[in-house]
Amino acid sequence: EIVLTQSPATLSLSPGERATLSCRASQSVSTYLAWYQQKPGQAPRLLIYDASTRATGIPARFSGSGSGTDFTLTISSLEPEDIAVYYCQQRSNWAITFGQGTRLEIK
Amino acid sequence: QVQLAESGGGVVQPGESLRLSCTASGFTFSSHAMYWVRQAPGKGLEWVAVLSHDGSARYYAASVKGRFTISRDNSKNTLFLQLNSLRGEDSAIYYCARDIATGIKARWFFDNWGQGTLVTVSS
Repeated sequence: EIVLTQSPATLSLSPGERATLSCRASQSVSTYLAWYQQKPGQAPRLLIYDASTRATGIPARFSGSGSGTDFTLTISSLEPEDIAVYYCQQRSNWAITFGQGTRLEIK
Repeated sequence: QVQLAESGGGVVQPGESLRLSCTASGFTFSSHAMYWVRQAPGKGLEWVAVLSHDGSARYYAASVKGRFTISRDNSKNTLFLQLNSLRGEDSAIYYCARDIATGIKARWFFDNWGQGTLVTVSS
């Protein structure tokens, strides 16, 4: 099973700042990686897939990069509504795993 | 618009069974692979199972293999998850989710989710 490790566990930033979230895979997943946003009491929402493709309706301030084992989700300028937990997800060998999540707090 | 609505959750005792349903609308259900993903209270996301668009291929997480069964009725736009031999660690919100692609080229990424149904396993 491929393990995804996200860092940091919690990120606290001010509105307008840039957020950088990391996801590291225990072995290469090529670009088969997605990012989801989950707000309290809600289902997750797809932000990015194929490591860098924004999903439909996702604001341009969200971007993804990386390949192989190291991936990054960047929020270029934080908005108050970006408060959420962010998960990375990979698919390989007919199985799916998620990272443990990064909690984003707004100062 | 795309809608997914789970039902069937509840409180059961260890060893008992439950059947979850996910009713889909707003898209061609038979064209998409479908998934179950769960989330224990206050915890992260865990993939449970996937079923191909036509029901011909299914895969399970190791933690549920042999106990859970995923199925679908494309004539009724409904996805199911049969949960047998339930354990305390199966307690979670169970979400159904749709693959972003159609047909045989499933991508194993989820572009639409339901709101979930809560399963609690407790004696």
